[in-house]
Amino acid sequence: KAGVTQTPRYLIKTRGQQVTLSCSPISGHRSVSWYQQTPGQGLQFLFEYFSETQRNKGNFPGRFSGRQFSNSRSEMNVSTLELGDSALYLCASSSGQERRSGNTIYFGEGSWLTVV
Amino acid sequence: AQKITQTQPGMFVQEKEAVTLDCTYDTSDQSYGLFWYKQPSSGEMIFLIYQGSYDEQNATEGRYSLNFQKARKSANLVISASQLGDSAMYFCAMREGTEGGKLIFGQGTELSVKP
Repeated sequence: KAGVTQTPRYLIKTRGQQVTLSCSPISGHRSVSWYQQTPGQGLQFLFEYFSETQRNKGNFPGRFSGRQFSNSRSEMNVSTLELGDSALYLCASSSGQERRSGNTIYFGEGSWLTVV
Repeated sequence: AQKITQTQPGMFVQEKEAVTLDCTYDTSDQSYGLFWYKQPSSGEMIFLIYQGSYDEQNATEGRYSLNFQKARKSANLVISASQLGDSAMYFCAMREGTEGGKLIFGQGTELSVKP
């Protein structure tokens, strides 16, 4: 069973540009969440998509956006990049529904974004 | 408000010994889930173990066990027989409810295993 796949793994962008990151969840999972990890702020929740709808949102500016497709794949976009957006962006996948065995959340390898 | 506290920024353990990583949490919800993840320097967040708030038994997964003390709001991770490959950052996280994908993370504990 394939895990959570994120692309690209590494990228460098210039301040002011925009970036799109992609995430393919585990087969059968309908929930995809995105997190930003920085040395200063730690791991912070960006947003969650479930069945193509944003179900939950963290405290990030509108420059951060996302979407989910009918096959549960998700993309997140950051517009007008700032130096402070340099971070590891992690995607997480889960069934999104209550399960007797627990609704475990699995992460991908992450996308390392550097803004210069 | 939800909060996860990991009070040990760094820890050392001798190979083959057991180690306990501390985690306390704060929530007003009755239904929640607690997770532990391992993050090596490559960045990948590896799921280790899960404990639901209504689970009566402490969770175990191979060498990992979770010491869940609900009244004290603690969920400590115990790693038995430490291996060199266990050296990594360890994060405790909490989800309120049982469905969503939103986790609140602690600041992490860096574990170093000595040969």
